Amino acid sequence: QVQLKESGPGLVQPSETLSLTCTVSGFSLTSYGVNWVRQPPGKGLEWMGTIWNDGSTDYNSALKSRLSISRDTSKSQVFLKMNSLQTEDTAIYLCARQLRDWGQGVMVTVSS
Amino acid sequence: DIQMTQSPPSLSASLGDKVTITCQASQNINKYIAWYQQKPGKAPRLLIRYTSTLESGTPSRFSGSGSGRDYSFSISNVESEDIASYYCLQYVNLYTFGAGTKLELK
Repeated sequence: QVQLKESGPGLVQPSETLSLTCTVSGFSLTSYGVNWVRQPPGKGLEWMGTIWNDGSTDYNSALKSRLSISRDTSKSQVFLKMNSLQTEDTAIYLCARQLRDWGQGVMVTVSS
Repeated sequence: DIQMTQSPPSLSASLGDKVTITCQASQNINKYIAWYQQKPGKAPRLLIRYTSTLESGTPSRFSGSGSGRDYSFSISNVESEDIASYYCLQYVNLYTFGAGTKLELK
C-alpha cells in the first residue's frame, strides 16, 4: 500500500528557511519520482518541484532560486528546503508520487 | 514555462446537469493533460490522464477531450458527490496546474 506523509514545523518566521520531510512507504524512491505541491489557503495548486527516481531534480522556475529537494533512499524520505520565506508562502504543502498518490499535506504558516 | 488557462473559475449546476471545464495551454501539449478533483480538506484525486484516459475508479460520467492547445473536461449527470474543485495539469514539460474551477450546486 502506497503511503506518503509530510512532516515539519507548522509555523516559520519570515525570512527563515522551511524544512519539510515526506516519508514514504509501499514503494522505492529509486523506482518512482516524488513531487512537492503547495496550496495557499483558498487558492489553487502550485507544482514546486520533483526529485526523479534517479535522484535528479527539477524545479518550478518561480521558486528555483529558493528551493532544494533531496532524499535519503535508505530512510525512504524526501526533503524540501525553501529559504527566504514570506507570508505569501503560507500554504498546505503536499508530497505526491508521480502526482497520482498523495500525502495528506502539512499546513505551514509564515508569521512572526 | 507552459501556462494553463482554465475556465470558468466557478460553475453552478443542478443535479443531473452536464458541465464542461476548459483548459488552454500556452503551447501544444500533445494531449499530456490530466484532470484532478479536490474536495475541501482533501488531497487532489487524479481522474483522467492523457486527455481522456479514465483512472481506475473514475465514474464513466467523467470525460475529457482535446488536442493541441485546447482541452475540455466534462461531467454528465452531475451528482452531489461531484461538488468539488477541479484542476487541469499539463505534464508534457515539467508540470503546470490550471487555476481551478469550483463546482457548486445551483
